[in-house]
Amino acid sequence: QKEVEQNSGPLSVPEGAIASLNCTYSDRVSQSFFWYRQYSGKSPELIMSIYSNGDKEDGRFTAQLNKASQYVSLLIRDSQPSDSATYLCAVSGTYKYIFGTGTRLKVLA
Amino acid sequence: GAVVSQHPSRVICKSGTSVKIECRSLDFQATTMFWYRQFPKQSLMLMATSNEGSKATYEQGVEKDKFLINHASLTLSTLTVTSAHPEDSSFYICSARDPSKGGITEAFFGQGTRLTVV
Repeated sequence: QKEVEQNSGPLSVPEGAIASLNCTYSDRVSQSFFWYRQYSGKSPELIMSIYSNGDKEDGRFTAQLNKASQYVSLLIRDSQPSDSATYLCAVSGTYKYIFGTGTRLKVLA
Repeated sequence: GAVVSQHPSRVICKSGTSVKIECRSLDFQATTMFWYRQFPKQSLMLMATSNEGSKATYEQGVEKDKFLINHASLTLSTLTVTSAHPEDSSFYICSARDPSKGGITEAFFGQGTRLTVV
């Protein structure tokens, strides 16, 4: 079992719709959870961080964390073509980051 | 916000030569930096953890004699790919956290280096 799992996609959504990206992790002692966006040929940029169970909203983005289910998700409301990218889930315990393989999102105009 | 600068952004080298990549934290002191490698359509794979003033910690399967890491100051870590071969062609990315913020905070990434070995 991979430490951090994501569906590779592509996930295609129409412009203006909600995109839902999911991530599961295997290490129960993980403490911190992050979503990064990566455009092709570029390095990742932080979208959201979440540390406790529940929802965290920032603009069009909402991160959801359920530690009991070892599940973290990212919702993107009012999706725009500029949101088309690969979204990486990262999980951190006491030290290292472990990245998922990423989900490729396509927002169709 | 914190900024990590990586140089060069692109490099093409001949097989058998060495290439040095620099990673700098611009507005914080990074006692630890991380080096990743990313092949096309794959995720970031941690290669090694660079510790200021001490030896780097390499992940399983990463050759420490091939990928030399030096972290001589609190703001600079370098990765040298020695005797590069075409299979070393990849996207290399460094990252660092700001330790002054405490806890497990987000990592900031450099711009990445696209290495092509011909």
